Amino acid sequence: DAKTTQPNSMESNEEEPVHLPCNHSTISGTDYIHWYRQLPSQGPEYVIHGLTSNVNNRMASLAIAEDRKSSTLILHRATLRDAAVYYCILRAPGGSQGNLIFGKGTKLSVKP
Amino acid sequence: ETGVTQSPTHLIKTRGQQVTLRCSSQSGHNTVSWYQQALGQGPQFIFQYYREEENGRGNFPPRFSGLQFPNYSSELNVNALELDDSALYLCASSGGVGAGELFFGEGSRLTVL
Repeated sequence: DAKTTQPNSMESNEEEPVHLPCNHSTISGTDYIHWYRQLPSQGPEYVIHGLTSNVNNRMASLAIAEDRKSSTLILHRATLRDAAVYYCILRAPGGSQGNLIFGKGTKLSVKP
Repeated sequence: ETGVTQSPTHLIKTRGQQVTLRCSSQSGHNTVSWYQQALGQGPQFIFQYYREEENGRGNFPPRFSGLQFPNYSSELNVNALELDDSALYLCASSGGVGAGELFFGEGSRLTVL
C-alpha cells in the first residue's frame, strides 16, 4: 500500500471548520482514500472514504485533488467531541480487506 | 445491531506467560482482523480471518496466533509474552467485499511485567 503524509498535530476552535490535509503522491489509480479517527480510549472509527470525486456524509466531507496526490478531510463545524487522532489511509480494492496501514495520524485539538 | 465487543478490557501478565483475547464481531460480519497499538503509535495489522481461515498476516512472529469460530467470533493468542507486547489490542470486523469500512472494538489493554 502507498504511503500517506499528515501533519502531526492541528488545533481548531469550537464551531469553526477544520481542514485536515493528507499527501499521497504515490497513490495508484485504484487505491481508495479512507479516513478513520480515534477518540481517546476508544478504537478507531470510520469517517469517510472516496476514490476520485468529492464525498460528503453526516460526519465530514472529503475533498480529493484532481491528480489524487492529496486529499483534505473537512469537518464543517468542529465540536469538542471531534478532538481525536485522524488517520488517512490508502486501500487497494479486494485483497486482504482488513489490512489497514495506519501511520501516526494528525492529532486534532479543539479549543472551546 | 450490536457492535464489536472485546474482552477482557484490561489485563496484566508476566513475561513468558500466555494470553487469550476475545472478540465478537458485528452482526452479519464474516471477516475479523486484529491490530496491535503501542502507546503513541497507530495500530499495526497482525492478521485477518475470513470464514475461519487466516487470509492475511502482518509482520508478527508465529507466537501470535488466532482462531475464528463458526459464529465469526475470534480469539487472539500470544505465547511467551515479552515486555514489548504491552499494548492495546484492537479487533475489527467487516463484511462483504471491496474497500469497505472496518468496525473496531474498544480494545483490550495488555500490560506485560
